[in-house]
Amino acid sequence: QSALTQPASVSGSPGQSITISCTGTSSDVGSYDYVSWFQQHPGKAPKLIIFDVSHRPSGVSNRFSGSKSGNTASLTISGLQAEDEADYYCNSYTSSDSVAFGGGTKLSVL
Amino acid sequence: QVQLQESGPGLVKASQTLALTCTVSGGSISSGGYFWTWLRQHPGLGLEWIGNIYYSGSTYSGVTSYNPALKSRLLISVDGSKNQISLKLSSVTVADTAVYFCARSGAGRGTILDNWGQGTLVTVSS
Repeated sequence: QSALTQPASVSGSPGQSITISCTGTSSDVGSYDYVSWFQQHPGKAPKLIIFDVSHRPSGVSNRFSGSKSGNTASLTISGLQAEDEADYYCNSYTSSDSVAFGGGTKLSVL
Repeated sequence: QVQLQESGPGLVKASQTLALTCTVSGGSISSGGYFWTWLRQHPGLGLEWIGNIYYSGSTYSGVTSYNPALKSRLLISVDGSKNQISLKLSSVTVADTAVYFCARSGAGRGTILDNWGQGTLVTVSS
């Protein structure tokens, strides 16, 4: 069982926006702004797309944005494109000085 | 550009020790200031953080943080002279079959994993 809870799957049509949630506790997401999001295509290593809740690394599209409220972090992808179809994972620093990951969300672009 | 490459046996027998190495090229581990991290992904499943080592580049061996569920079987270390990070997981079972990744985080208490190896599949046989 993953420490952070994500929906197993979400879907959207090209051009639409979707949001993926990542729910933790007051011992991780709720206490630290150290939340990152990763995109993983089949057979590939994960790619960092959001760090420190809402910051984008250089080169990542501004269609990706992140936010946090309480114990829940969220990733929003706007203007969905076929290439966005992938698995998405969140992580968070925890009070036990470890890093927890969410179980992952499969995004389908219909 | 810094690149990471995992290596090690692809097949390990149950009860033995899984040993992997992550070789860093294009930069020196001894420059310090990074969390060198091991993660794994069971077939068809999500990512699991195994642990990391924060290496400042000084003469000491670094500070480790481990997944509590694996801590009793785990050892992560750095060899600055070889530019390598190693993982040793003892008493493995078939449940340890996974793709193992090494990755680097520069900040965020180890959450900002911005550089990954390609991963290596390790199968544990019974």
